[in-house]
Amino acid sequence: QQQVKQSPQSLIVQKGGISIINCAYENTAFDYFPWYQQFPGKGPALLIAIRPDVSEKKEGRFTISFNKSAKQFSLHIMDSQPGDSATYFCAASRMGSEKLVFGKGTKLTVNP
Amino acid sequence: ETGVTQTPRHLVMGMTNKKSLKCEQHLGHNAMYWYKQSAKKPLELMFVYSLEERVENNSVPSRFSPECPNSSHLFLHLHTLQPEDSALYLCASSQTVLNSALHFGNGTRLTVT
Repeated sequence: QQQVKQSPQSLIVQKGGISIINCAYENTAFDYFPWYQQFPGKGPALLIAIRPDVSEKKEGRFTISFNKSAKQFSLHIMDSQPGDSATYFCAASRMGSEKLVFGKGTKLTVNP
Repeated sequence: ETGVTQTPRHLVMGMTNKKSLKCEQHLGHNAMYWYKQSAKKPLELMFVYSLEERVENNSVPSRFSPECPNSSHLFLHLHTLQPEDSALYLCASSQTVLNSALHFGNGTRLTVT
């Protein structure tokens, strides 16, 4: 119940395309769903986050879609750029907990 | 310096050595964390400190010993490690222990020979 399942493991997209990464969870107590972006040699950095009171959140080219009934959330990167090439991690936590449960990560490569 | 700084960036140690990893945060945060990152595995939470008090020890072997002398500094003392402990060790901080917006350092790449 503590797991967050992330897919795909790797993704190759052409410049200008849409990148989609999906995550699924079991614990219905989760109420905070962030995405982290990690470049080689760097630590993960918070990219965007959503709470279950909204179904979508957009920041620039990055959008989180949230489906509470299906217990799934996804990251969409519009107009993908080579600079977006990184590993993306979804995560989840529940209110009152210091534990953030991470997915295994998706390595995104955007070809020029 | 800004953000979260970790030293050293790389460390090679034998199984009988004793070494320490250092983390310093310049964000004024009250919570600090150690995470272990291994290839093709989720990030594993190891320890959590809130205002220098340990609030979480995630069933980590005793060969890893954390120390938090103040809210800006965090150490991970290592002794008699195993080759399977080779990984990237990430330090993070957040405003409070229940605030999930983590700010990570760039990690220490540890190799145990």
